[in-house]
Amino acid sequence: KQEVTQIPAALSVPEGENLVLNCSFTDSAIYNLQWFRQDPGKGLTSLLLIQSSQREQTSGRLNASLDKSSGRSTLYIAASQPGDSATYLCAVKVNYGQNFVFGPGTRLSVLP
Amino acid sequence: EPEVTQTPSHQVTQMGQEVILRCVPISNHLYFYWYRQILGQKVEFLVSFYNNEISEKSEIFDDQFSVERPDGSNFTLKIRSTKLEDSAMYFCASGRNTEAFFGQGTRLTVV
Repeated sequence: KQEVTQIPAALSVPEGENLVLNCSFTDSAIYNLQWFRQDPGKGLTSLLLIQSSQREQTSGRLNASLDKSSGRSTLYIAASQPGDSATYLCAVKVNYGQNFVFGPGTRLSVLP
Repeated sequence: EPEVTQTPSHQVTQMGQEVILRCVPISNHLYFYWYRQILGQKVEFLVSFYNNEISEKSEIFDDQFSVERPDGSNFTLKIRSTKLEDSAMYFCASGRNTEAFFGQGTRLTVV
């Protein structure tokens, strides 16, 4: 059964710092991996999607990498801003099904 | 930009009552999902729907739950007899077999 973990659980940084969020999954047989942002009490906003054959994806200040064989993905946020404060979730789409398995999230606070 | 819309945004219901949560997926998507998130916990998969039938469901999705695509545009989740532990945020999502797009959720409170 696929399990997804994320570290750290929470992170507080001053504005302008570059930071890395980590995601690990136990079964490397994934179809793709997606990073989401969730603001308190709100829905999930898709940030980046990495297919299993890809190594990384970039969107603006965000870069996500995938190392399928080691079961890891990282989300790199450059030059963090207070508006980046949110919970970041990673989710893997398993090969044998259509559903996503979510990690518990990393709660990020960027202080002005 | 197309988006998944969910109604209502918040629903309060008494224990034992039936509730229907509604979703309008993105129009050219083929796969539809329901997930839930109990406060402070992980987002959990409930059910996926493709080609007018359930393609996969989790252990959570027992006989009190059902899904329907009644008219080709709406996608509904029905909970027949709500329990206190059904209180959660329920998310609908749609996709074309790769990326999933999520709605803003319906917060269900069972009292």
